[in-house]
Amino acid sequence: DVKVTQSSRYLVKRTGEKVFLECVQDMDHENMFWYRQDPGLGLRLIYFSYDVKMKEKGDIPEGYSVSREKKERFSLILESASTNQTSMYLCASSSPETGGEKLFFGSGTQLSVL
Amino acid sequence: GENVEQHPSTLSVQEGDSAVIKCTYSDSASNYFPWYKQELGKRPQLIIDIRSNVGEKKDQRIAVTLNKTAKHFSLHITETQPEDSAVYFCAAILNTGGFKTIFGAGTRLFVKA
Repeated sequence: DVKVTQSSRYLVKRTGEKVFLECVQDMDHENMFWYRQDPGLGLRLIYFSYDVKMKEKGDIPEGYSVSREKKERFSLILESASTNQTSMYLCASSSPETGGEKLFFGSGTQLSVL
Repeated sequence: GENVEQHPSTLSVQEGDSAVIKCTYSDSASNYFPWYKQELGKRPQLIIDIRSNVGEKKDQRIAVTLNKTAKHFSLHITETQPEDSAVYFCAAILNTGGFKTIFGAGTRLFVKA
């Protein structure tokens, strides 16, 4: 079974702090994604990466950056956290070898910015 | 870019009844349409999908239909059970590298026993 692990289930940060959300997958997947989930808005794509050191902006990249130094790890960075970034963050991975399109999600990180 | 709209946002049905969730997409080049189910407090998981060269696909009590001309696709759940209660997300993918998945806003389904 594919395992996608997000380092924290709950996180509380203060406005202006730099926040790192970590995601690790153990199935050698090429593609990794960061989504945020908000009630009534579904899952919105922040950034994705289809290879080490590659990154592509999703639909809502403002206020975020990412890092993919190793294939198994994809980090989401909030350079200066703001209250409107309070949300559930979901990491996902996929691979052409497992159908390419099928996403395997982590358990999510509920971030609260105070 | 691709935009996916999903209706209704909330759906309540009696156990044993059918449930239908509808989605539309904007980019006619999208070619893969998955459905994810998210139970309370859990991660979304793929339950069924359909490709653009197929009009209908069935897996036990769930089925998906796709109308490429109208850019509509739907999820049908028959003989609903309480364990079907969850949030369902439709999505569309434009396979141009990276498999970028765009989701609808979700439908919260309540199945009343």
